[in-house]
Order: sequence, then structure tokens, then C-alpha cells
Amino acid sequence: SQQGEEDPQALSIQEGENATMNCSYKTSINNLQWYRQNSGRGLVHLILIRSNEREKHSGRLRVTLDTSKKSSSLLITASRAADTASYFCATDQSYNTDKLIFGTGTRLQVFP
Amino acid sequence: AAGVIQSPRHLIKEKRETATLKCYPIPRHDTVYWYQQGPGQDPQFLISFYEKMQSDKGSIPDRFSAQQFSDYHSELNMSSLELGDSALYFCASSMGPSSGNTIYFGEGSWLTVV
Repeated sequence: SQQGEEDPQALSIQEGENATMNCSYKTSINNLQWYRQNSGRGLVHLILIRSNEREKHSGRLRVTLDTSKKSSSLLITASRAADTASYFCATDQSYNTDKLIFGTGTRLQVFP
Repeated sequence: AAGVIQSPRHLIKEKRETATLKCYPIPRHDTVYWYQQGPGQDPQFLISFYEKMQSDKGSIPDRFSAQQFSDYHSELNMSSLELGDSALYFCASSMGPSSGNTIYFGEGSWLTVV
């Protein structure tokens, strides 16, 4: 079963603009991770946010987590054409395993 | 830095054949995961191993089996292949099974069943 749903499913912006992607999940989680995937390639880990954290930054990335709303957002500032990819959130729900349940992903297209 | 290595990168098999995918985790990582990603879909968890023992199981068909060896590499064996098995298969690894560890993915193995 699918844990996360992402919104929007697709996003097109111009270089330099900010991109915001949202992820909602259904059950309680321990951690939420964001991954990036170029078409047909591997999943690249971007950032991990723990359930007791509300916000994390990494370079041009900003992730927020609202456990009361069971949602997270990924903000990419000053986007570049190279940011074009699919972005997935993934959650784990157990203290005994790191098994991740992925959301449906957002396809981001950044035009030069 | 060393990453998760998967082989082969591409594989074409006929229906009812058998395929084996290999995964070499990041050095010192003791936990391995297998995921399946169909075209246009999100990755689905199949199975995981910690210290060579199965630690969790997801939507893995009975036709599939996997194991983790003493050197921590893992193999996913798929038998009686069906057209619907065509997908990108990811292996991932982490250091320990406790929650909160970052999971690193390989580039994936493309399986096409014809």
C-alpha cells in the first residue's frame, strides 16, 4: 500500500524560481527522507528529517515536517535546469527497520 | 565515496526464464534492501536483510527469493519470469537496521522480460 502522496504530480518552472513540493502520509512515522531520481537512474538521497524535527536545511534545499498534519514539504530555492528530476518522499514507520515507503513523486521540470 | 553497486545494469530475459541480480553494499553497511520500480511508478519495497538474516519482507512474489552472503553482498533471484516483472530493481544499503539511518540506493538494474 502506498504511504505517501505527493503534490503536485508535476511542476514546471523557470530557472531561478523556487520549487515547492509537498508530501502527505497516512501513519505515524519515525523519519522522512527525500530522494531525487533522474529519469531511469538511481535514487539520490537528499535529506533526512526526524519526527522530532520541524525544519532542516541543506544547501538550496529546505525541508519542513508537520507531524500533526502528517505532511512534509521540500523547497528548492534558485532552481537550475540540472534540478530537473523526480522527487520522492519516503517514510519509515518502525523502530526495528529502515524499510521505506515511497510517495508517488513529483516530476520537476526546470526550463533554462 | 563508494556507493551501492548493482549488476547487471541491464538484463533482457524471456518469459519463464530465471534472472539473478547482484548487489554490493557500501563498505561497512550491514543492511541491504531490494526495491522494485515499475514504469512511472514509485519504488516498492521487496525484502531486506540485516547481518545476513531476512529482516523484513514486503510485496515480493513467491517466485522471487533473495539472500545476503557473508561478505554482505546480496542476490535477488527471480524465476518463472512474467512480462509484469519488467522493472527497475534497486538495491539499497544502510548501516544497521535501526530507524533513522540514511538509506543509499544503487543505480538500479533494468530487467526487461519479453
